[in-house]
Amino acid sequence: DQQVKQNSPSLSVQEGRISILNCDYTNSMFDYFLWYKKYPAEGPTFLISISSIKDKNEDGRFTVFLNKSAKHLSLHIVPSQPGDSAVYFCAASARNNYQLIWGAGTKLIIKP
Amino acid sequence: DGGITQSPKYLFRKEGQNVTLSCEQNLNHDAMYWYRQDPGQGLRLIYYSQIVNDFQKGDIAEGYSVSREKKESFPLTVTSAQKNPTAFYLCASNDRWKGNQPQHFGDGTRLSIL
Repeated sequence: DQQVKQNSPSLSVQEGRISILNCDYTNSMFDYFLWYKKYPAEGPTFLISISSIKDKNEDGRFTVFLNKSAKHLSLHIVPSQPGDSAVYFCAASARNNYQLIWGAGTKLIIKP
Repeated sequence: DGGITQSPKYLFRKEGQNVTLSCEQNLNHDAMYWYRQDPGQGLRLIYYSQIVNDFQKGDIAEGYSVSREKKESFPLTVTSAQKNPTAFYLCASNDRWKGNQPQHFGDGTRLSIL
């Protein structure tokens, strides 16, 4: 029972263009969503989060959009840079629950 | 320079052996977590601890044990009962008393079977 799904195992984007990573969830109790970036043999690094009371959150080149009716969120990276090549994980938690539920990740490859 | 330190980076286990993975944090966080990552999958929660001397099972606790005797430390023991221990193990922490807070991670321990 995958409550958080990242349906694209990989994504290839030209340097300087926009990268859009997608995430779908099934649990309507989720109220906090996060994106993490992970390089091989390292721990995930927190990128950006969004609460369910918002539909957009920006931090520099990174913007997360939340569509609650569709149970969908996306991460936009503009412009994409070579250092953005990594695996990106979407995660979610429900109110008053310590547990983060993770997607399987999307490998982003930025082409020069 | 605050952070989470996991050791060792690589660990090998013989059949029937228990091994312990170390996790230390100097972020003054109350909550700590252990995850397991397998290839092509998301992180799965093994155990978590909200406060010293208290911990709770996650989704895949069978074959693992933990202790939380100090705020800074949350060691994970992979017991011989865990039949498929080969994986990448990640420790995390956050301060949940401040509401929604992201978890911060160590660099992981890769465990393999000899």
